[in-house]
Amino acid sequence: EAGVAQSPRYKIIEKRQSVAFWCNPISGHATLYWYQQILGQGPKLLIQFQNNGVVDDSQLPKDRFSAERLKGVDSTLKIQPAKLEDSAVYLCASSLVGFDYEQYFGPGTRLTVT
Amino acid sequence: SQELEQSPQSLIVQEGKNLTINCTSSKTLYGLYWYKQKYGEGLIFLMMLQKGGEEKSHEKITAKLDEKKQQSSLHITASQPSHAGIYLCGAGLGNQFYFGTGTSLTVIP
Repeated sequence: EAGVAQSPRYKIIEKRQSVAFWCNPISGHATLYWYQQILGQGPKLLIQFQNNGVVDDSQLPKDRFSAERLKGVDSTLKIQPAKLEDSAVYLCASSLVGFDYEQYFGPGTRLTVT
Repeated sequence: SQELEQSPQSLIVQEGKNLTINCTSSKTLYGLYWYKQKYGEGLIFLMMLQKGGEEKSHEKITAKLDEKKQQSSLHITASQPSHAGIYLCGAGLGNQFYFGTGTSLTVIP
């Protein structure tokens, strides 16, 4: 079974530039999550999708971050414009349905904003 | 404030020693997950605890859930270098899924 795929693995941009991350979850998983993990901290949930609808995005800084999962499969997370404090690893995860099932994580995208 | 606090923050142990990592919640726990993360990689699922008093084991790792104390513990018996990494507890609390602060484990051969 193929795991959660993410790209790119690394990205370096200057502040005020924009960036996009892509995630393809495990086939058949209805729920998709985007997390931000700052060095030395646990992951923080940014947004949760169930199929192509948003379940929770209360922790997403909506003035600069956006995410979509148009066909209920793969998803993109965008930052525009980036700030220095956005430097982090962005993790995508998927689960069968919601929190009652374990989440499977992708390798993450390491973003450095200079 | 953190919804899930882990202790200790870091551990350095000699190979063969036992160790325990604790995870304490600020809210009632209805289930808890343990994950392991190696530097630069995603999280790997270890086990899920769903009921108070539940205890699960996988190889040399045992986890318990004490719902009354809003706590979980992860115990490693006879640690090996392959156990090194960051251990994270996670739980769904309300509409959000939270991870703990993480415990960094180093095992010295």
